[in-house]
Amino acid sequence: GAVVSQHPSWVICKSGTSVKIECRSLDFQATTMFWYRQFPKQSLMLMATSNEGSKATYEQGVEKDKFLINHASLTLSTLTVTSAHPEDSSFYICSAQPPGLIDGYTFGSGTRLTVV
Amino acid sequence: QKEVEQDPGPLSVPEGAIVSLNCTYSNSAFQYFMWYRQYSRKGPELLMYTYSSGNKEDGRFTAQVDKSSKYISLFIRDSQPSDSATYLCAMRRIKAAGNKLTFGGGTRVLVKP
Repeated sequence: GAVVSQHPSWVICKSGTSVKIECRSLDFQATTMFWYRQFPKQSLMLMATSNEGSKATYEQGVEKDKFLINHASLTLSTLTVTSAHPEDSSFYICSAQPPGLIDGYTFGSGTRLTVV
Repeated sequence: QKEVEQDPGPLSVPEGAIVSLNCTYSNSAFQYFMWYRQYSRKGPELLMYTYSSGNKEDGRFTAQVDKSSKYISLFIRDSQPSDSATYLCAMRRIKAAGNKLTFGGGTRVLVKP
């Protein structure tokens, strides 16, 4: 089946540093990937839509300069949290839609970011 | 008012019982409906997806969509402790910009041995 790999699964960083999270579609090409943020016991909040070869589309209220998204190839999208602060600590998840599967978006395993 | 409403639970059932989950929505433009299962600290896993109204069955899982009532359901038969997780409904319009999904808040389910 379609697999989306996300790395790292967890990361701890100091305030003010930047962290990069990778999302890869392992056995299919994804022109579009999605990045979500999830707080404990809450649902997924869409942050942005990542488009291969073009700029990401950010949801209202999401800081473009803080959450940098790059979709340089059909199998890789990256999310960089710049100048991280403790309030950026959260669970970040990416997803992609395999071709032929009408609406079965596949999700990565998530990245738990802790900023200290 | 949220576009998609889902009871947060927790819903506690004994092993072997039927788990009944549902979501209501307000936007009649939603056409594709999905159910995901999410274990703690893991990404969501697709369980079922349906298009428009009707029923779909896959093993122990049955998904129902009633567009006239703007109501979708997921039933889990012969529930097992391993079914303990958070269940998220999700849906989207046919021509949604960027094919975005709209999620419910999730229902936490606990199946007791």
